[in-house]
Amino acid sequence: QVQLQESGPGLVKPSQTLSLTCTVSGASVSSGLYFWSWIRQSAGQGLEWIGRIYMDGSTNYNPSLKSRVTISVDSAKNQFSLNLSAVTAADTAVYYCARLSFGVVVFDLWGQGRVVTVSS
Amino acid sequence: IQMTQSPSSLSASVGDRVTITCRASQPISKLLNWYQQKPGTAPKILINSASTLQSGVPSRFSGGGSGTDFTLTINSLQPEDFATYYCQQGYSTPITFGQGTRLEIK
Repeated sequence: QVQLQESGPGLVKPSQTLSLTCTVSGASVSSGLYFWSWIRQSAGQGLEWIGRIYMDGSTNYNPSLKSRVTISVDSAKNQFSLNLSAVTAADTAVYYCARLSFGVVVFDLWGQGRVVTVSS
Repeated sequence: IQMTQSPSSLSASVGDRVTITCRASQPISKLLNWYQQKPGTAPKILINSASTLQSGVPSRFSGGGSGTDFTLTINSLQPEDFATYYCQQGYSTPITFGQGTRLEIK
């Protein structure tokens, strides 16, 4: 079955860049039927959409984070990645990768989540 | 588009029927999805397009509404239904979620 798995450092220093990778198994990131997305959730808080990428590399970002976010895709490795620069304690959260279906615009598959703490 | 859920929390008993409301700050047609999240796990899709039950989701869950006002109803609550529920609009970017409704056991 299709699975998504986040990986990357769980601790990032303030002002540095948070980098996470999502490895997709059982499906191809080159499928034209889906976007691939990142979402985060701060402790005890709700869900915040970070952005999405399509197989051709086109992206959409949340304006609240746009100046600091880059999402990229590596079709050869069947992965997509998140870079968030100049992090602060406010970026401490659980980061999820998710598959976003066309048309109905629903996150139908999620990774298990990666806890990232921003602290010196 | 701002999504507002009510109530923020809700206490109910096994066997009860509960309804959660989600309001969009502007019309979103039927591009509204509902998720269930249990502690320490990722959200799970329950309903898409306001009223389409995702495969494998029990029929006691139902959704309705269009435009700006939407509902999630759970009939005959089961112990495994106590969780946090989120709505999400897919009408335009940035994609946004409601703040969540925590359903607790009375």
